[in-house]
Amino acid sequence: GAGVSQSPSNKVTEKGKDVELRCDPISGHTALYWYRQRLGQGLEFLIYFQGNSAPDKSGLPSDRFSAERTGESVSTLTIQRTQQEDSAVYLCASSLAWNSGNTIYFGEGSWLTVV
Amino acid sequence: KQEVTQIPAALSVPEGENLVLNCSFTDSAIYNLQWFRQDPGKGLTSLLLIQSSQREQTSGRLNASLDKSSGRSTLYIAASQPGDSATYLCAVGLTGGGNKLTFGTGTQLKVEL
Repeated sequence: GAGVSQSPSNKVTEKGKDVELRCDPISGHTALYWYRQRLGQGLEFLIYFQGNSAPDKSGLPSDRFSAERTGESVSTLTIQRTQQEDSAVYLCASSLAWNSGNTIYFGEGSWLTVV
Repeated sequence: KQEVTQIPAALSVPEGENLVLNCSFTDSAIYNLQWFRQDPGKGLTSLLLIQSSQREQTSGRLNASLDKSSGRSTLYIAASQPGDSATYLCAVGLTGGGNKLTFGTGTQLKVEL
């Protein structure tokens, strides 16, 4: 597609439920990233993919968070047993490659509210 | 741990004014620094990317400088316009870190008519 596409754009869920957030990167981009932005805070790195592999999962906040990528394309970020502190905007981004210097393109985010 | 600070947190200026946004970072071993723009309810748009070996980058009315040794970057916006109103984010990438970026909390800019 023309840009990074994320769905859903907004999600309200009850505490304890599982949620899945989807990201469609720009076609041909091998690197894909997930970031989180909580209200009033800066973006936090969660995980990145090079192809379908995730070499760096160091930013995932807890074992309730997981992500996968298939076909070197779509990625899904799953949050199990959601907590109120998970409320945030989850931003996906992609770039041609992992190397620094490649312009990174962000989607518009999935706004998650846990009530 | 890399920390990125942006000052001021918010700024309001009249149209036409030149302005400077500041970014500082604690670990000077960076590979690059990027400035992004974020509009309400939207994703981030990359504005300028400065490699660690560079001192500045320019795009139109925007000029970003980098002083790695002092851990500082500035974004200069010339002849500001209402359409420049947005949040501006600074992000640094560490050597070997690719696009694993550490972001500042941003400067919210409002350009008034």
